[in-house]
Amino acid sequence: DAKTTQPNSMESNEEEPVHLPCNHSTISGTDYIHWYRQLPSQGPEYVIHGLTSNVNNRMASLAIAEDRKSSTLILHRATLRDAAVYYCILRGDSGAGSYQLTFGKGTKLSVIP
Amino acid sequence: NAGVTQTPKFRILKIGQSMTLQCAQDMNHNYMYWYRQDPGMGLKLIYYSVGAGITDKGEVPNGYNVSRSTTEDFPLRLELAAPSQTSVYFCAALRGRSVTEAFFGQGTRLTVV
Repeated sequence: DAKTTQPNSMESNEEEPVHLPCNHSTISGTDYIHWYRQLPSQGPEYVIHGLTSNVNNRMASLAIAEDRKSSTLILHRATLRDAAVYYCILRGDSGAGSYQLTFGKGTKLSVIP
Repeated sequence: NAGVTQTPKFRILKIGQSMTLQCAQDMNHNYMYWYRQDPGMGLKLIYYSVGAGITDKGEVPNGYNVSRSTTEDFPLRLELAAPSQTSVYFCAALRGRSVTEAFFGQGTRLTVV
């Protein structure tokens, strides 16, 4: 399985942008980059995913490096409700990789009022 | 639309007792997963299923059993509960091989005393 590396923790001030990095230097050409987050006492929830191009949705933006060896989840204005553990995972598009759903330790984001 | 439903939400077991954690999904998703999450740690995959009648071991299957007789249900069985199985258990469902998001239940908090 392709692995991801994330910082253990990050802090952000409320209403400021947050950039959460993820390194995935062994990513294969068909691996999609997915982000999930886990709010306190809840199950993980999907945030965003992408393959090569940057992606935006109502929750966040995903910036993918040109060589795809790293990516950054961007929260444009952090709120207290964004305090969570953020997981970056890779998923293949076919075969066993398509249903592998392996989580690392993630990045614990603290938002300071 | 209920999504993924786990029951019970909380349970206390005595060492050596058995129980079944229930997981049901109403989205007709092919893939289902069981994870455990110890305090302050990430999610570890216990078992997964790619369809009715097909199950496979994940990272930490010892002490657990699963079955998948229908698409909707994926129960997790603990035969002889041990204190090391004290954890929060999450069930997840995923549609299929296309790149789609996983949906998680709210978790079952299990304490073995």
